[in-house]
Amino acid sequence: GAVVSQHPSWVICKSGTSVKIECRSLDFQATTMFWYRQFPKQSLMLMATSNEGSKATYEQGVEKDKFLINHASLTLSTLTVTSAHPEDSSFYICSAGPTGPYGYTFGSGTRLTVV
Amino acid sequence: DQQVKQNSPSLSVQEGRISILNCDYTNSMFDYFLWYKKYPAEGPTFLISISSIKDKNEDGRFTVFLNKSAKHLSLHIVPSQPGDSAVYFCAARGNAGNMLTFGGGTRLMVKP
Repeated sequence: GAVVSQHPSWVICKSGTSVKIECRSLDFQATTMFWYRQFPKQSLMLMATSNEGSKATYEQGVEKDKFLINHASLTLSTLTVTSAHPEDSSFYICSAGPTGPYGYTFGSGTRLTVV
Repeated sequence: DQQVKQNSPSLSVQEGRISILNCDYTNSMFDYFLWYKKYPAEGPTFLISISSIKDKNEDGRFTVFLNKSAKHLSLHIVPSQPGDSAVYFCAARGNAGNMLTFGGGTRLMVKP
């Protein structure tokens, strides 16, 4: 149990376009979803916390108008990178919970490349 | 301010030997610690965890030790196997929710 599906797994887009990443909890209801970003050879950095039905809470330094997060249902959260630029190229990972004693299940990640 | 640190970016170990991955933290409010294993281009997968009220938790080849006074935890893998080669992240959770703070990761390479 506790499966989180993240889609797409990789995407290449042109600079200036927007990209939507989906995170779905397949067999449980996720009241809270987290979005992380990982730069090469660096750790996972929390971008924002989203609770179903309310506005996401963004970490310091993360532009909320650029990284739009929607958590409209208990099984789906989306991250939209608006007007993407090459510096937005990164690996984005979602996690959803609560899922028992560990609290989290991670998605498989999305590799975004902006050209 | 990095609240969770993994000071060794990489570790190389011979197959069959013990792998010891270390993690230090600064926030005394952390109450739960987790280790995740991550392969390239994949999300982290949960490995083992420990509550702050314990000092050891064991699961098969994996053992996590917690030294609260030193704010230090370690992951021991015995015996190490080539399939253990991955990046290992330690993470800490505060008592105010499910948010995790991650360390920088340690790349473990187990040589056959």
